[in-house]
Amino acid sequence: QVQLVQSGAEVKKPGASVKVSCKASGYTFSNYYMHWVRQAPGQGLEWVGIINPTTGNTVYAQKLQGRVTMTRDTSTSTVYMELSSLRFEDTAVYSCARGGVSGSNWGAGDYWGQGTLVTVSS
Amino acid sequence: EIVLTQSPGTLSLSPGERATLSCRASQSVSSSKLAWHQQKPGQAPRLLIYDASSRATGIPDRFSGSGSGTDFTLTISRLEPEDFAVYYCQQYGTSPVTFGQGTKVEIK
Repeated sequence: QVQLVQSGAEVKKPGASVKVSCKASGYTFSNYYMHWVRQAPGQGLEWVGIINPTTGNTVYAQKLQGRVTMTRDTSTSTVYMELSSLRFEDTAVYSCARGGVSGSNWGAGDYWGQGTLVTVSS
Repeated sequence: EIVLTQSPGTLSLSPGERATLSCRASQSVSSSKLAWHQQKPGQAPRLLIYDASSRATGIPDRFSGSGSGTDFTLTISRLEPEDFAVYYCQQYGTSPVTFGQGTKVEIK
C-alpha cells in the first residue's frame, strides 16, 4: 500500500533553516510527482511547490521563491523540502502529497503524508 | 493565479440531509483539473474527487462532483456522521496550484 512517512516536528528560531523529509513506499517512486502543501494553525491549505522525482525539476510557489528548495534521493525514495530564513509566519504543518504520473499533469494529491509541524519561535 | 472561492463558509445540516458545496474559479480551470479534499481535525486531507467528477479510490458513491469552466459543485447525497468535516477544492491545471478557503460542514 502507498505510504508517505514524514520526519518529526521541528522548532526553529527566526532566520534558521528547516529540512523536512518524506519517504515513499508501496509504489514506483520515480513515476509520480510529489507536492508539498502547508497549513498554518487554524488556516487553510497552501501549496508550497512540486518536484518531479524522475528529473529533479521543481516549481515553487512565488511567495516562497528564493527560500524553498525541494530535492529527492531516488536511492531511498525520499523527497526533501528545505525552507530557509524562517519567519514566524512560516509556522505550519508541512505535508507531502503524491501527485500525478511524471510527465503527465501534476495531479491533485491522492496520498498524503502525516504532516510535520514546523514551529518558528524565538 | 487562479483564485478559488468556496461557498458557503459553513453549512449546518443534519445526518441524512443532502449537502451541496460550491467552488467558483476566477478564471477557467484547465481541462477540469479540479479536485475536492476532505479534512478532519488533526488529520491529513483525503482526496475525494479529481478531474471534477471522478471519485478517488475507496470513496463512497454518496460523494459526487460536477461542473466545468469556472463553476464546480461537490454533492454529498445523504450525510453520514463521519462526513462532518472541512472540504477544500483545489485546481491543479494551471501553475500555481491553488486551494479554496474551505467549507465547514457541521452538525445542525
